Amino acid sequence: AQSVAQPEDQVNVAEGNPLTVKCTYSVSGNPYLFWYVQYPNRGLQFLLKYITGDNLVKGSYGFEAEFNKSQTSFHLKKPSALVSDSALYFCAVRGGYSSASKIIFGSGTRLSIRP
Amino acid sequence: DTGVSQNPRHKITKRGQNVTFRCDPISEHNRLYWYRQTLGQGPEFLTYFQNEAQLEKSRLLSDRFSAERPKGSFSTLEIQRTEQGDSAMYLCASSSAGTGDNQPQHFGDGTRLSIL
Repeated sequence: AQSVAQPEDQVNVAEGNPLTVKCTYSVSGNPYLFWYVQYPNRGLQFLLKYITGDNLVKGSYGFEAEFNKSQTSFHLKKPSALVSDSALYFCAVRGGYSSASKIIFGSGTRLSIRP
Repeated sequence: DTGVSQNPRHKITKRGQNVTFRCDPISEHNRLYWYRQTLGQGPEFLTYFQNEAQLEKSRLLSDRFSAERPKGSFSTLEIQRTEQGDSAMYLCASSSAGTGDNQPQHFGDGTRLSIL
C-alpha cells in the first residue's frame, strides 16, 4: 500500500532564511510525487511534481523539491522564505500497480514565517 | 476564472437530513475526484470519475454516500441521513488524462459541511 509521511506538524522559519518541509513516501513501483499548498478556507494549489528525470524539481513561487530514491524522500525547499509563504503544505504520492489515479496525501505541515 | 467551482461553500444541516454538493470542473478536464478533509488532516480520497464513469470508490464511501457525473461534466455528491461524523470539508478536483497519471489535480475551494 502506498503512504506518505510528513514528520513535522509545524515548521517555523524567519523571513529571508531557507526553509525545508520534509516528506517521505512508500509505494510499490515508480512514484509520482506532488506538493500542494493550502491557504485558510481554500482548496489545495499545486506547487510542483516529480515524475521522472532530474531529481531537483522547480515549481511555483520559488519552491523546489529534491527527489531522493534511496531515502524515499521528497523534501520541499525554498532558498529565502517570505511571510506570504505561511500556509499548510501537503506532500502527495501516486504510485503502485493498482488504483492508478488515486493520490494519497500526507497529514500536512504548517509553515510559519516570522517577519 | 475557469477553475474548479464548488457549491455551496458552506452547508449547515441537522443530523439525519440529506445534503447534495455540486462540483463544476475545469471544462477540458475529463477526470474528476472527490475528497474529504477533516481539521488537521490531509484530504482523503472518496471517489473518481473519468468522463461519466465512476472508476473507483474508497471504502470511506459508505452506502449513505453517492456521487454522479451524468454527462461527464459537473458532478454531485449526495450524503443521505447525515451523521455528526460527516462534518468535514468536501473537496473536488479535476485533471486532464494527459500521459499516464502524472497530471496534477486542480482543486476547488470546497464545501464545508457542519452537522448540528
